[in-house]
Amino acid sequence: EDQVTQSPEALRLQEGESSSLNCSYTVSGLRGLFWYRQDPGKGPEFLFTLYSAGEEKEKERLKATLTKKESFLHITAPKPEDSATYLCAVQGNFNKFYFGSGTKLNVKP
Amino acid sequence: EAQVTQNPRYLITVTGKKLTVTCSQNMNHEYMSWYRQDPGLGLRQIYYSMNVEVTDKGDVPEGYKVSRKEKRNFPLILESPSPNQTSLYFCASRDTGLFSPLHFGNGTRLTVT
Repeated sequence: EDQVTQSPEALRLQEGESSSLNCSYTVSGLRGLFWYRQDPGKGPEFLFTLYSAGEEKEKERLKATLTKKESFLHITAPKPEDSATYLCAVQGNFNKFYFGSGTKLNVKP
Repeated sequence: EAQVTQNPRYLITVTGKKLTVTCSQNMNHEYMSWYRQDPGLGLRQIYYSMNVEVTDKGDVPEGYKVSRKEKRNFPLILESPSPNQTSLYFCASRDTGLFSPLHFGNGTRLTVT
């Protein structure tokens, strides 16, 4: 069964405390893995696309990596404004996108 | 500004009263889709459209209809809403190039009593 699992469900960090979010997937015909940020009351905002195992992408304090079975979103020295829900999505066959349930990140000052 | 626009943002209705949620995009994207987001279940695809007059079912199409008469518009129709359709709905569009991401609207929170 095609599915995407994210962990942890929720993560509380102190400002400056680095950590990683996990996205594991079992999707046939992988055509890309996507990370999104979602703020309360808003639609998901695109962050990264990863295409192949070993690939890495960076944006400010965020770095996304991809292996054959999972992806990590590393957050280095987070700030309170990084607080949001982070969603992982995988594109499989026939233009279908599979989403994880998200990790709700709370960064305390 | 490139965007996906949904209306209304909030909607409260009663069981059985037909409603339509509109979605419009200004990016000339061929692909559009509708998702619902429920706590603990993530985003689930309702319907998608690869182009004008071409629509297909997603994972949870029961109780919903869509139409794609114009490239920019993709309305979601609930002909007889029920309480289990209370949810947060998102419209999205994307370019059909390989690895192109979805671009989302800001959502419609629907409550069916």
